[in-house]
Amino acid sequence: EVQLVESGGGLVKPGGSLRLSCAASGFTFSGYTMNWVRQAPGKGLEWVSSITSSSSYIHYADSVKGRFTISRDNAKNSLYLQMNSLRAEDTAVYYCAREWGLLLPYFDYWGQGTLVTVSS
Amino acid sequence: EIVLTQSPGTLSLSPGERATLSCRASQTVSSNYLAWYQQKPGQAPRLLIYGASSRATGIPDRFSGSGSGTDFTLSISRLEPEDFAVYYCQQYGSSPPFTFGPGTKVDVK
Repeated sequence: EVQLVESGGGLVKPGGSLRLSCAASGFTFSGYTMNWVRQAPGKGLEWVSSITSSSSYIHYADSVKGRFTISRDNAKNSLYLQMNSLRAEDTAVYYCAREWGLLLPYFDYWGQGTLVTVSS
Repeated sequence: EIVLTQSPGTLSLSPGERATLSCRASQTVSSNYLAWYQQKPGQAPRLLIYGASSRATGIPDRFSGSGSGTDFTLSISRLEPEDFAVYYCQQYGSSPPFTFGPGTKVDVK
């Protein structure tokens, strides 16, 4: 069974940093592009970042470019999101999501999410 | 950037009725890379439809997708109690690679 479990969320002050993790199991993690998608309270979904299976290609939303860094450790079946210079508008539930495949750019599995709150 | 617009914002229907949700893109969605997701309160989104019209694994056949180019539709033939939720469309393109629509809430009339 595919499982994605996020952790690392919490309350942080504006300008602070946080590192999110996503532990994957039930599939060959090293074979998939992985993504972070966030959802502000009561709002819609916003794609944040993606990283290909071997970390060769990385993309960011303009809203987080230069502040967030996505990475992965295939040996540990884990995905990460280092978030620096956090702002109030980064407050959201952050989901780890698997991208189905090369010609299937859809998110077929999602974690339960971890809440990041940026507030003084 | 391709902007997705969904209508209506809220759809109030009764169980057993048909739901028709619209997703319109500001530019042509390449290769019909258009998906629909369902999200219930407190849960992660679930993939329903991909490639504009293909049902994901385990999705009941009362859900169907159609459309191409810039206009897409998600239809639910007969609403079941568990179908009341928020529905998002998502497209794949370039810069940024993924965008979502603002969502349509289907609630009980």
